[in-house]
Amino acid sequence: RKEVEQDPGPFNVPEGATVAFNCTYSNSASQSFFWYRQDCRKEPKLLMSVYSSGNEDGRFTAQLNRASQYISLLIRDSKLSDSATYLCVVNWGGGGNKLTFGTGTQLKVEL
Amino acid sequence: GAGVSQSPRYKVAKRGQDVALRCDPISGHVSLFWYQQALGQGPEFLTYFQNEAQLDKSGLPSDRFFAERPEGSVSTLKIQRTQQEDSAVYLCASSPPGTYYEQYFGPGTRLTVT
Repeated sequence: RKEVEQDPGPFNVPEGATVAFNCTYSNSASQSFFWYRQDCRKEPKLLMSVYSSGNEDGRFTAQLNRASQYISLLIRDSKLSDSATYLCVVNWGGGGNKLTFGTGTQLKVEL
Repeated sequence: GAGVSQSPRYKVAKRGQDVALRCDPISGHVSLFWYQQALGQGPEFLTYFQNEAQLDKSGLPSDRFFAERPEGSVSTLKIQRTQQEDSAVYLCASSPPGTYYEQYFGPGTRLTVT
């Protein structure tokens, strides 16, 4: 079983839609959680950290459920420019500064 | 300012050849990471340096893979006797002091082993 699991998609949504991605992680000792974004044939970039209380950054909302070992990312009012692969990322502390990436969920926002 | 740079951007190697991939991190970033990304997968951790010290090499898939950062800035990932399964994009990332998770990635080197 992979340490970080995501539905690979693709999720095809119309512009303006709300879309949610989920991610589960297997190591209950995991301490820190992030979402990275990767455009096609480009490098990953940090989108946002995920805090236990949930956090929002503009149209993006991240949630963490430690009991279920589950992370989510909600995107409201989708834009064409949101089309990318969204990578769920976990650091379990005991592994030092190593980040463990999920496979990624592909989002395509269409007119 | 300048981001992380990697060279070459593309490398085609014949099976059995040795290759060397270079990473120039952002100036002042003490932490440097190497990842391997296969098609359709997320990046997989290979190794991590803090300055010149290699603190974690648990992700290196075999003893054919070797990384170094002798002066704490530029790093080289070397793959000896390349195999077809080594074909992937090799990503380098660096992070500023105190924020290991905010990793700035380079554009990657796409390695194809024929």
